[in-house]
Amino acid sequence: GDSVTQMEGPVTLSEEAFLTINCTYTATGYPSLFWYVQYPGEGLQLLLKATKADDKGSNKGFEATYRKETTSFHLEKGSVQVSDSAVYFCALSYNTDKLIFGTGTRLQVFP
Amino acid sequence: EAQVTQNPRYLITVTGKKLTVTCSQNMNHEYMSWYRQDPGLGLRQIYYSMNVEVTDKGDVPEGYKVSRKEKRNFPLILESPSPNQTSLYFCASRPTGTGELFFGEGSRLTVL
Repeated sequence: GDSVTQMEGPVTLSEEAFLTINCTYTATGYPSLFWYVQYPGEGLQLLLKATKADDKGSNKGFEATYRKETTSFHLEKGSVQVSDSAVYFCALSYNTDKLIFGTGTRLQVFP
Repeated sequence: EAQVTQNPRYLITVTGKKLTVTCSQNMNHEYMSWYRQDPGLGLRQIYYSMNVEVTDKGDVPEGYKVSRKEKRNFPLILESPSPNQTSLYFCASRPTGTGELFFGEGSRLTVL
């Protein structure tokens, strides 16, 4: 079945460091891919998405490219801030069906 | 303001005492869903609803019930809660044909 695998956390970085959070997927078809972010005490909110191969989603300085050849959708940011500390979830969906989430990766950014 | 509202946000109860977690959305979304979030397991879908009076099981439906009598409301019912249902619960909705879910703020439930 379809699934999403994320790197284990927590990821601990200093402010202004480069961030990569790895995400790979297994899919029987051609899903859309998503990154959701969960700030402390809040629900998840959509960070970015990509609907087909080679698409790049971007928002708030974060980027992720839909790589069909490597079945990956890694999240990157060039310079993280303390306010980016959160749990990040990678997910896939066929748009008419449920989202399948990864287990989440906690990011901690220190000043 | 477009939002998904869950109540209660926090609840401590005892084994076997029926409870309901309410969920309401004001975005006229047809699709609504319940997830539970547990450490190391991510989010797992409990039930979902594609429209009024249409509900389906997700990955972990045991011990839960739902109903969808109105478009905006999708309550989660625990008829006889057990300690393994201690979790953080999220209600979500989305527009038809997209994968973008809008989440509530979560309901943390503890069953003693």
